[in-house]
Amino acid sequence: AQSVTQLDSHVSVSEGTPVLLRCNYSSSYSPSLFWYVQHPNKGLQLLLKYTSAATLVKGINGFEAEFKKSETSFHLTKPSAHMSDAAEYFCVVSDGDNDMRFGAGTRLTVKP
Amino acid sequence: DAGVIQSPRHEVTEMGQEVTLRCKPISGHNSLFWYRQTMMRGLELLIYFNNNVPIDDSGMPEDRFSAKMPNASFSTLKIQPSEPRDSAVYFCASSSPLLISTDTQYFGPGTRLTVL
Repeated sequence: AQSVTQLDSHVSVSEGTPVLLRCNYSSSYSPSLFWYVQHPNKGLQLLLKYTSAATLVKGINGFEAEFKKSETSFHLTKPSAHMSDAAEYFCVVSDGDNDMRFGAGTRLTVKP
Repeated sequence: DAGVIQSPRHEVTEMGQEVTLRCKPISGHNSLFWYRQTMMRGLELLIYFNNNVPIDDSGMPEDRFSAKMPNASFSTLKIQPSEPRDSAVYFCASSSPLLISTDTQYFGPGTRLTVL
């Protein structure tokens, strides 16, 4: 069965500095991978997804993630953090059949 | 498209009362999912439907929980009787299957349930 580990429960960065949210996955098949963002008191919004096409995936709001099979990683990055990026981020892996496994989440804090 | 619609957004009830959460999926999507989010357990899949048929309800915590999908545009999650430990945010999501890739799930805004 697939699983996902988000390596940091909380990440704090200063506005304008790079963001790195780490995610490692375990999967028996060629997985699909997603990043979702959840702002306070809001639902989950899809940031980006990887589905066996290009390994570097660009998402909304300047985020991107790179699928590295050799490292079983799918880290989320952004060159320059904005105050509005403060939220909870979830890495998700799926082997198909609607079976999505969510990571525990990483809370991103952006300091002025 | 209005996205996934959930109601109510907030529900406060007393222990023992029946609670019904509602979800309208995105038009044309034929898969619907109910999740529960708590601080302790994170996001948990409770049940999902495909073409209005329950496919996997192994995540439903106990018999007090039930879910229905009478048609393609409406689903309910019912808790009867409710208990304080049911307090959580309940999310509904929908997706449209593609031939070759995993479905992307689109989430509603959630219902925050507080059971006193």
